[in-house]
Formats: sequence, structure tokens, C-alpha cells
Amino acid sequence: DGGITQSPKYLFRKEGQNVTLSCEQNLNHDAMYWYRQDPGQGLRLIYYSQIVNDFQKGDIAEGYSVSREKKESFPLTVTSAQKNPTAFYLCASSMGNEQYFGPGTRLTVT
Amino acid sequence: SQQGEEDPQALSIQEGENATMNCSYKTSINNLQWYRQNSGRGLVHLILIRSNEREKHSGRLRVTLDTSKKSSSLLITASRAADTASYFCATPQRYNTDKLIFGTGTRLQVFP
Repeated sequence: DGGITQSPKYLFRKEGQNVTLSCEQNLNHDAMYWYRQDPGQGLRLIYYSQIVNDFQKGDIAEGYSVSREKKESFPLTVTSAQKNPTAFYLCASSMGNEQYFGPGTRLTVT
Repeated sequence: SQQGEEDPQALSIQEGENATMNCSYKTSINNLQWYRQNSGRGLVHLILIRSNEREKHSGRLRVTLDTSKKSSSLLITASRAADTASYFCATPQRYNTDKLIFGTGTRLQVFP
């Protein structure tokens, strides 16, 4: 069953802690993306990777970090430097124009 | 900056009615895509229309593209309660087509 998975679905952290969100795909897609979505808003690109061991900053990369050591995996770390980390985080992958999205992780930082 | 802006922001209709959502964008594009998002879920790709196409159909969906006006519309015919979702248009960034820029979305509510 091919697809893209994100875990966990809900995540709670205290302010000042780093947290890592998981994203895995078995679609054999080269490109992977991380987006942030705030209530009632569209998606904003955090980071993206077009190939293993390479990634680029998106529009709102400050306070986030990523790695792409394997084609299947693109974890996102939300660091304590991110001033307003509470949001819904979506991972996507693509091979061409269309993007395939995971179910998302809702992160709440208090 | 967001390339696509949807209109209206929210739309409420009865089952069986048609729903029309519009998207405007700023720069020239080679394609435009529409996605659907159920509440609290990931986005699902609905349809892609290329810049040399004026209209495209997929089931109850009809998408039009007017490159002269830099706008697109998504029509859902004979709507169902299950169509309740947010709908987003997305366009490739001008100088980096691997990146999609999403609009703010239209929230559609279909009442049974």
C-alpha cells in the first residue's frame, strides 16, 4: 500500500524543547516538502528536498531544520528558536507536478 | 508571498446545488492545480490544467483557466454533503517550478 505517512498525529511539547516530526514515503518520489498551515490559512513552505542529501529553505525556514539521508525519509525538527511553533504540519512528496500529502501532524507547544 | 488567491473565502450551499470557486494568480504559469482538504487532514490532488488548456473535466469537477485574466475556476456540480472541505489552488513558482504556491483556500459547506 503506497503512500506517505506522518507521525505522530498529535504532538504536545513544552516551550524551549526541540521536537522532530517524522515523514516517510514509499512512492519512490525524489522530491519531498514540509509545509506549515495555520488556522484558516493556506500552506507555507518550510523546507524542500529534490534529492537525497540536499535540501533548500522555503519561505519560512527560520527556527526549523531538516535532513534527507534517505530517499524515503524527510524529518523536520522544530527548534526552540521557532517563535510560534503551534501549527498543523504537512509533509508532501512528488515526482513531477502533482504533490501527494501525508495526513499531517498537529503540534501544540505550551 | 502567495501566488493564488481564492474567492470566495467561504461558501455554503444545499446538496444538489453547484459550487463555484475562483482563483486568481499573479505571474505566468505552465499549469494550475486544485487540491481538496478535509478538516484536519492532508491535501488531495483533484485536477491539473495546463496553460494551453481552457477547460478540463473530471467526474463532477470542471476546471477552467483564463491565462489572459490570470484566473481559474473550479465548479463542482450536483454537490453532496461529502464535498464539504476546503479547496485550494496551487501554481508553480515562476523561477522554481518544483515549488508550489498555494492560495488561502475556499471553505465549502454542503448542507444535506
